[in-house]
Amino acid sequence: EAGVAQSPRYKIIEKRQSVAFWCNPISGHATLYWYQQILGQGPKLLIQFQNNGVVDDSQLPKDRFSAERLKGVDSTLKIQPAKLEDSAVYLCASSLGMRGQIRPETFGSGTRLTVV
Amino acid sequence: SQQGEEDPQALSIQEGENATMNCSYKTSINNLQWYRQNSGRGLVHLILIRSNEREKHSGRLRVTLDTSKKSSSLLITASRAADTASYFCATEIQGAQKLVFGQGTRLTINP
Repeated sequence: EAGVAQSPRYKIIEKRQSVAFWCNPISGHATLYWYQQILGQGPKLLIQFQNNGVVDDSQLPKDRFSAERLKGVDSTLKIQPAKLEDSAVYLCASSLGMRGQIRPETFGSGTRLTVV
Repeated sequence: SQQGEEDPQALSIQEGENATMNCSYKTSINNLQWYRQNSGRGLVHLILIRSNEREKHSGRLRVTLDTSKKSSSLLITASRAADTASYFCATEIQGAQKLVFGQGTRLTINP
């Protein structure tokens, strides 16, 4: 099966600019996750979608980050305006898991964001 | 916040030796998963162990889980250069529907 697709692969922007990341999960996967991974740390969940509804966005900095999953398939994550501390790899993952049934997650290769 | 704590943070061994990584967590879990991440890549799922299981094998991987101590270990036997990567434990917390990742162990296999 095709994996989780993410784009772009790399992005360099200046602080206060905006940026958007795109994710196409594995076909049929109901759950989609966005993680932020700062260098040297483990991934931190930003937002979790079940189909096109938000399940958990408790760690999403909502003053600058937004995400949507239209039609329950593709998703975009946006940062506006970016800060230096947003420099990280943004990982998208998907799983078959329905509510209460977490399955192993399949990750995309990520987008490496550098804010200068 | 990160729930899992991996130990050691970094491990360097010779090819052919066994590598053991440990993970401790704080709250009750449904399951614990181990993932591998090669430099600059996404995470790859290795193995999942449920809270009612104590040990699980997959190829050269052996995972143990001790829920009374809230800890898990990942053993890689007969290590190879290709095993060089970062390894993360992730816990599915009871009552939540998400994984919480630890900080990871950076494993280096020297030829």
